[in-house]
Amino acid sequence: GEDVEQSLFLSVREGDSSVINCTYTDSSSTYLYWYKQEPGAGLQLLTYIFSNMDMKQDQRLTVLLNKKDKHLSLRIADTQTGDSAIYFCAERYGGYNKLIFGAGTRLAVHP
Amino acid sequence: ETGVTQSPTHLIKTRGQQVTLRCSSQSGHNTVSWYQQALGQGPQFIFQYYREEENGRGNFPPRFSGLQFPNYSSELNVNALELDDSALYLCASSSGLGDQETQYFGPGTRLLVL
Repeated sequence: GEDVEQSLFLSVREGDSSVINCTYTDSSSTYLYWYKQEPGAGLQLLTYIFSNMDMKQDQRLTVLLNKKDKHLSLRIADTQTGDSAIYFCAERYGGYNKLIFGAGTRLAVHP
Repeated sequence: ETGVTQSPTHLIKTRGQQVTLRCSSQSGHNTVSWYQQALGQGPQFIFQYYREEENGRGNFPPRFSGLQFPNYSSELNVNALELDDSALYLCASSSGLGDQETQYFGPGTRLLVL
């Protein structure tokens, strides 16, 4: 089946770390992605991880992948107000480059 | 910025009308995918074009159709518009079909059907 699930809302204090979680269903997914969407805008690719990796770090972003549990997380270190947005987890599905998205996690950063 | 552009940015139509949305891919990209994002939801895959041929389709009725041109720009056409077609329509381009090909999204066209 095709299903990606995320918690809908996360509130953090500025300067703290944020962790956004995602579960997916397709064990054959080769790549998993995190996209960011600001109000009224399209999707910005933040980072991605290949399925044979456990972790990927890119500046303030850390992606952890637990392939056995089909669980993906995105950690944002030193969260800033500019990080307030909706974050989408997506898995690549099928023989063509189709992305299956979760419903998105709204991250609110407060002082 | 990704280099993917879409037009128009906003559009208002009435039920039963037809609409054409346009997408210009990032330079060097020969694959375009279209997604529908209803309010409060994640994007849903409509279809994909590779080198001017449809390469896959999601669970959307035939009144959703598309075209890709030799310069790899693309159109999404929706006939007989329904109220539920109100959404943000996103196109994404990539440089091929390989596993490693990342999709880069445009800013979207917001369609409101009254």
